[in-house]
Amino acid sequence: DAGVTQSPTHLIKTRGQHVTLRCSPISGHKSVSWYQQVLGQGPQFIFQYYEKEERGRGNFPDRFSARQFPNYSSELNVNALLLGDSALYLCASSLSLFSQDPRPQHFGDGTRLSIL
Amino acid sequence: LAKTTQPISMDSYEGQEVNITCSHNNIATNDYITWYQQFPSQGPRFIIQGYKTKVTNEVASLFIPADRKSSTLSLPRVSLSDTAVYYCLVGLSGYALNFGKGTSLLVTP
Repeated sequence: DAGVTQSPTHLIKTRGQHVTLRCSPISGHKSVSWYQQVLGQGPQFIFQYYEKEERGRGNFPDRFSARQFPNYSSELNVNALLLGDSALYLCASSLSLFSQDPRPQHFGDGTRLSIL
Repeated sequence: LAKTTQPISMDSYEGQEVNITCSHNNIATNDYITWYQQFPSQGPRFIIQGYKTKVTNEVASLFIPADRKSSTLSLPRVSLSDTAVYYCLVGLSGYALNFGKGTSLLVTP
């Protein structure tokens, strides 16, 4: 079975532009989460969606937004890009039905976003 | 979310068993312990998850004492390809995962 797939794999943007990153979850997974990983740090939680509803949001500015589609794929949008947004953006999916569900999240290999 | 403490780095030789211990004194009753492995420029890969006692799969073992305030990931007979960052997470995977800085494991010949 295919794992979590993300596109594009690499992206270069300039300050002030916006970007859309895409994620396709593992088949059957209805929960999708987004994480930002800057160099040398662990991933930081941005958003989680389940059944097209936002379930949780991390400590990120309103420039960051996301949505989930009926086929459970997801997009992460970032507006007014800053140099500090340069990072690896990771998408994870899981079978979790509710926040107390322990079933693990499975990650894609991310989109490497570089801001010039 | 329970705070975790794990060594910043560890070194090992090929063929040795590696044990990485994670402290989580404030673990909640419903929390699970989950370990991920991450290679450079790749996403974290799920290794193992447990609630209590011992869990074993084809890749690793996870030892959890009765008080659950710590856990130990055991990697048998490591190879060069096991060089990676290992993250210990405590909580419920249905929600946000709280990654720390992880343990950077270097395996040398």
